[in-house]
Amino acid sequence: AQSVSQHNHHVILSEAASLELGCNYSYGGTVNLFWYVQYPGQHLQLLLKYFSGDPLVKGIKGFEAEFIKSKFSFNLRKPSVQWSDTAEYFCAVTSNTGNQFYFGTGTSLTVIP
Amino acid sequence: EAGVAQSPRYKIIEKRQSVAFWCNPISGHATLYWYQQILGQGPKLLIQFQNNGVVDDSQLPKDRFSAERLKGVDSTLKIQPAKLEDSAVYLCASSLTGAAYEQFFGPGTRLTVL
Repeated sequence: AQSVSQHNHHVILSEAASLELGCNYSYGGTVNLFWYVQYPGQHLQLLLKYFSGDPLVKGIKGFEAEFIKSKFSFNLRKPSVQWSDTAEYFCAVTSNTGNQFYFGTGTSLTVIP
Repeated sequence: EAGVAQSPRYKIIEKRQSVAFWCNPISGHATLYWYQQILGQGPKLLIQFQNNGVVDDSQLPKDRFSAERLKGVDSTLKIQPAKLEDSAVYLCASSLTGAAYEQFFGPGTRLTVL
C-alpha cells in the first residue's frame, strides 16, 4: 500500500525566512504528486502538482517543489514566507491511473510577523 | 463557477444513530471523492466514483459506511450505526476524469458522535 510521510508536524517561522517542508512517499510505480494547502477557515486547495517532465515544479504564491525520484521525495519550498502563508500543508500522491489517492498527515505552518 | 457543495456543515449525533451527508460536485466533474479527516490527520480517501461507478472503495468500512451516486451527479455518504471513532470532518471533492486533474474540495461536514 502507498503511504505519504510528512516529518514536520508544526513549523514556526518569522516572515522572510525560507521554508522547506518534507514529503516522502512509498510506492513502486509511477506516481503523481501534489501539495495542497488549507488556510484557516477555508477549503483545501491545490498549490502545485507534478505529473511528468521537469522535476522542479512551480505553483501559486511563489511556492515550488522538487521531485527527487531516487529519494521518493517531493519537498515544498518557498524562499521567503509571508504571514499570509500561515496554513496547513498536505502532501498527496496518487498512482498514474488516478486512483488510490493518499494524503500525508499535514504540516501546520505558523508565520510570525 | 460554483464550487463543491456539502450539507449539513455540522452534525452531532449519539453513537449507534445513523447519519447521512450530501455532496453536489462541480458541474461537469465526472469524478467524485469522499474523504474522512480525523483531527490531526490528513484526509483519508473513503470512496472514489467515476460517474455512478465505484473506482476505489478499499478504505471504506463497509460494515457501517455506504455511499451512492445514482445519477452520476450528487452523492450521499451514510454511516449506520455511528461509533465514537467516526467523529471527523467528511470532505467531498470532485474533478474532471484522470489523474492530471486537480481535485476541488467542498467545505466539509463536521461530525461529532457522542
